[in-house]
Formats: sequence, C-alpha cells, structure tokens
Amino acid sequence: ELKVEQNPLFLSMQEGKNYTIYCNYSTTSDRLYWYRQDPGKSLESLFVLLSNGAVKQEGRLMASLDTKARLSTLHITAAVHDLSATYFCAVDINYQLIWGAGTKLIIKP
Amino acid sequence: NAGVTQTPKFQVLKTGQSMTLQCAQDMNHEYMSWYRQDPGMGLRLIHYSVGAGITDQGEVPNGYNVSRSTTEDFPLRLLSAAPSQTSVYFCASRPPGGGYGYTFGSGTRLTVV
Repeated sequence: ELKVEQNPLFLSMQEGKNYTIYCNYSTTSDRLYWYRQDPGKSLESLFVLLSNGAVKQEGRLMASLDTKARLSTLHITAAVHDLSATYFCAVDINYQLIWGAGTKLIIKP
Repeated sequence: NAGVTQTPKFQVLKTGQSMTLQCAQDMNHEYMSWYRQDPGMGLRLIHYSVGAGITDQGEVPNGYNVSRSTTEDFPLRLLSAAPSQTSVYFCASRPPGGGYGYTFGSGTRLTVV
C-alpha cells in the first residue's frame, strides 16, 4: 500500500524559532511536492523536488529530498506569523499524487 | 491567463441527485486530475487523465465518472449523490516533464443532504 506520512501533524511554535516537518513515503518515487494551504483556500505550490539530494529554498523555507531514505524535509528558519498554514507533501507515482495528511503550523508572536 | 477554473464554487445536492463539476485550464496542460479533500485528511485522487481521450481511476473513483474530450476540459460527474460525497473537490493540471508542479483550481465545496 502506498503511504505518505507526515509528522508532526500539528505544530505550534514561537516566532523566530526553527523547525522541521518530515515526510516519509513507502514506495519509490523521484518526484515530490510541497504545498501550502490557508484555511478555506486552494493549494499553493511551494517546491518541486525531482532527484535525490535535491534542495530548494524560498525565503524562510527550505525543502530537501532523500530518495534512498524515502524522506523529504521542509525546514522553517526564523518563523514568522505569515507562515501559519497547513503544509502538505505529495508523492507523484505515475501522475497520481499520494498525499500526506498535512501539518497544521501555528506561529505565535 | 486564468489558470485552472472550477465551477461552481459551492453546491448543495439532495441524496440521489446527479451533477457535473466543471474544470477548465487554459495552459495547454496534458495532465489533469480530480481530488477530494475531507477534514483532517490529505487529498485523495478520484480520477486522472494524461491527455485528451485518456482517463484512469485513482484511489477513490466509486460514484464518479470523468471524460476528457478536449485538452482544456475535465468534468467530474457525480452519478447519484450520497452524503459520503460531501467534501471539497479540487481539480489540478500540470504540463509533462520538467520541474513543474500541479496548478490547482479554487475548489468546489459540495454538501449532500
């Protein structure tokens, strides 16, 4: 069975702190996505990771992919309130996206 | 450039009614797919298409039909609505190859009573 597991599922943190969200998946894939979703809104693409060792950064967010370990991470540096949202990882298996359950991130001033 | 357009944004159906959720994209993307999102869960794939005339089932296809007669349009049909189909539905598309992610529509919030 294809599984994508995110942890933690809920994260409350202070502004200025660093933290990492983990995404483990159970089958071989060389394409992994990170998305952000605000309450009641659609999904916004953050990162597309295509190969082992891929690392991408945008502002305070950095994503990486280890295809051998079947693990991706989303690292948040010096969090700010605007990053409060739910973050999803999704693994692409032959044009079918298998999604993690999402990490709800709340950043307190 | 409108991206991925979904209509309607909200819909209430009675059990047993049928309806079609519309999805259109103007980016000439080959790949299109439909997902449902239930509270506290990630998205689940209903049906997908890798090009005009080609469709396939995803993880939760029962109760839904799709067709892809053109590159631009990928409608999702609910055959006989059930309360279990109450959900938010998202349509997504992406071009083949490269480092592109999927572009999502704004979603359709469906309630079946």
